Amino acid sequence: LAKTTQPISMDSYEGQEVNITCSHNNIATNDYITWYQQFPSQGPRFIIQGYKTKVTNEVASLFIPADRKSSTLSLPRVSLSDTAVYYCLLNGNNRLAFGKGNQVVVIP
Amino acid sequence: EAGVTQFPSHSVIEKGQTVTLRCDPISGHDNLYWYRRVMGKEIKFLLHFVKESKQDESGMPNNRFLAERTGGTYSTLKVQPAELEDSGVYFCASSPGRRYEQYFGPGTRLTVT
Repeated sequence: LAKTTQPISMDSYEGQEVNITCSHNNIATNDYITWYQQFPSQGPRFIIQGYKTKVTNEVASLFIPADRKSSTLSLPRVSLSDTAVYYCLLNGNNRLAFGKGNQVVVIP
Repeated sequence: EAGVTQFPSHSVIEKGQTVTLRCDPISGHDNLYWYRRVMGKEIKFLLHFVKESKQDESGMPNNRFLAERTGGTYSTLKVQPAELEDSGVYFCASSPGRRYEQYFGPGTRLTVT
């Protein structure tokens, strides 16, 4: 399975925009880029998915350059409740491969 | 709309015993997945059902694990006999189709002593 690489952790102040970058150099043609969020003692929760260019929904934006070898999840104006682990995944065959994720801590 | 539910939320059993985990997907979702996180490790895929058929069971660790989805509704994952290394959190997810987002349940925490 193609792997993704993310920072291990990052801190951000409440109200700031948080950008999390993910590398996926070996992405396949049929792979979609998917981001999940996980809080302690809960299952992962879908945030956003895209194939190329930019995707935006009510909670986040996903930026994907033309070569698709990386992607950036953007969380606007984070709050304390956004403290969680964020996973960048490639979804080409429905068999999601979770890495270690990125622990984001929002500071008051 | 009810989300994915899993039962039990927590199970503690002794080595050698049998445990059955249950997952109820979102109504109408044909695709059902099992994942697990063993202590300190990453979440790993176990298998994928499309309705009652096993589409992909490449992640099942060994023949002590048996998953079923009779009638294409809820699914069970049986571990028999349980070993210490089976301890972890077992997640179930469902989706309406291929490449749609997967909706995860809260997980079942299994502790084998």
